[in-house]
Amino acid sequence: AQSVAQPEDQVNVAEGNPLTVKCTYSVSGNPYLFWYVQYPNRGLQFLLKYITGDNLVKGSYGFEAEFNKSQTSFHLKKPSALVSDSALYFCAVRDMFGGATNKLIFGTGTLLAVQP
Amino acid sequence: EPEVTQTPSHQVTQMGQEVILRCVPISNHLYFYWYRQILGQKVEFLVSFYNNEISEKSEIFDDQFSVERPDGSNFTLKIRSTKLEDSAMYFCASSEDPPGEQYFGPGTRLTVT
Repeated sequence: AQSVAQPEDQVNVAEGNPLTVKCTYSVSGNPYLFWYVQYPNRGLQFLLKYITGDNLVKGSYGFEAEFNKSQTSFHLKKPSALVSDSALYFCAVRDMFGGATNKLIFGTGTLLAVQP
Repeated sequence: EPEVTQTPSHQVTQMGQEVILRCVPISNHLYFYWYRQILGQKVEFLVSFYNNEISEKSEIFDDQFSVERPDGSNFTLKIRSTKLEDSAMYFCASSEDPPGEQYFGPGTRLTVT
């Protein structure tokens, strides 16, 4: 069955330091991978996606993510964290095995707290 | 920047009542979705909708649920007879084409008492 794991409920990082939010996935076919961010009382905002091509994808607000097929991971990274990056981050996967599905499967979310 | 909007932001209803949650997807998008998030749990897929019909639904989306695109702009989720366990945040989303990213609205918090 398809699944997404975000092993950390919370990640704490000091402003200016690099950050990593981890995500691993399990699908039957090739994955389409996404990161979303949720600020308080707001919807899920799209950050970036991996569909094919370069394993390192760049997205909004200076975030990037690296697709690693052998480790089935898609970790979100940023070289220098800002206090305003503090939010809830969700990893999601779309399983492309067996034909079209538009369903996104989400992880449980990781709360990123950036201390000034 | 275009965005998905949802109304109301919060709906309180009594068990057994019908509720309709409304969404206005991004205007040039063709695919529409509903997800829900029970407090403290994962965001879960409910249903996808394309070309005026359901293209996929989850096991959560039983006969109590229905979706409709009543006009060229709105997309609604109806729960016919609400249960306590329907209390959740309901998110509407839309996408321009299947492989692309889905854009989410701010959600409707449904509280069933």
